[in-house]
Amino acid sequence: SQKIEQNSEALNIQEGKTATLTCNYTNYSPAYLQWYRQDPGRGPVFLLLIRENEKEKRKERLKVTFDTTLKQSLFHITASQPADSATYLCYNQGGKLIFGQGTELSVKP
Amino acid sequence: EAGVAQSPRYKIIEKRQSVAFWCNPISGHATLYWYQQILGQGPKLLIQFQNNGVVDDSQLPKDRFSAERLKGVDSTLKIQPAKLEDSAVYLCASSQFTGGTEAFFGQGTRLTVV
Repeated sequence: SQKIEQNSEALNIQEGKTATLTCNYTNYSPAYLQWYRQDPGRGPVFLLLIRENEKEKRKERLKVTFDTTLKQSLFHITASQPADSATYLCYNQGGKLIFGQGTELSVKP
Repeated sequence: EAGVAQSPRYKIIEKRQSVAFWCNPISGHATLYWYQQILGQGPKLLIQFQNNGVVDDSQLPKDRFSAERLKGVDSTLKIQPAKLEDSAVYLCASSQFTGGTEAFFGQGTRLTVV
């Protein structure tokens, strides 16, 4: 069955460093992947979408890559800030609609 | 632009009782989704509507859950009877199209079944 897997362990980094989150997918080839941010008690908020024919997408301090050979998407936050602390979700909206389990990011000052 | 509205925000019921959640999507959005999010997990799709037709309800426990989308706009999700394992946050989302566009989520309804 189609699966999306994210690092289940929380990621703790120091302010100013780059956070890198991983999303691996198996048993299918998504036409695109999306990344969302979720804060406690709130619904997910859209950040970026990357299509299978795009290697990389950027928005301000955010960057997403899509490697169809490795079946993996990486999500980077450069110059991270404590306000970036949240859970980040990988989402396939093409074909089967599947969210990863999310990776909790904590940025310490 | 108004966001996706959901109500109630919180609900506590006893097992075997029934409960209903309401969602008003963003105006003009053809696609509406209901997700169940258990603590510590990613959201799981329960049902997807395109206008007022069902696109995917393969993960909806149809013996106890039902959903409808009235006139292709508002939607309600009902659970009857509720079980302890239904305790979760129920999220409604909408998007302009199906696939390839961002989904806008409501704040969710936190359901506790005791």
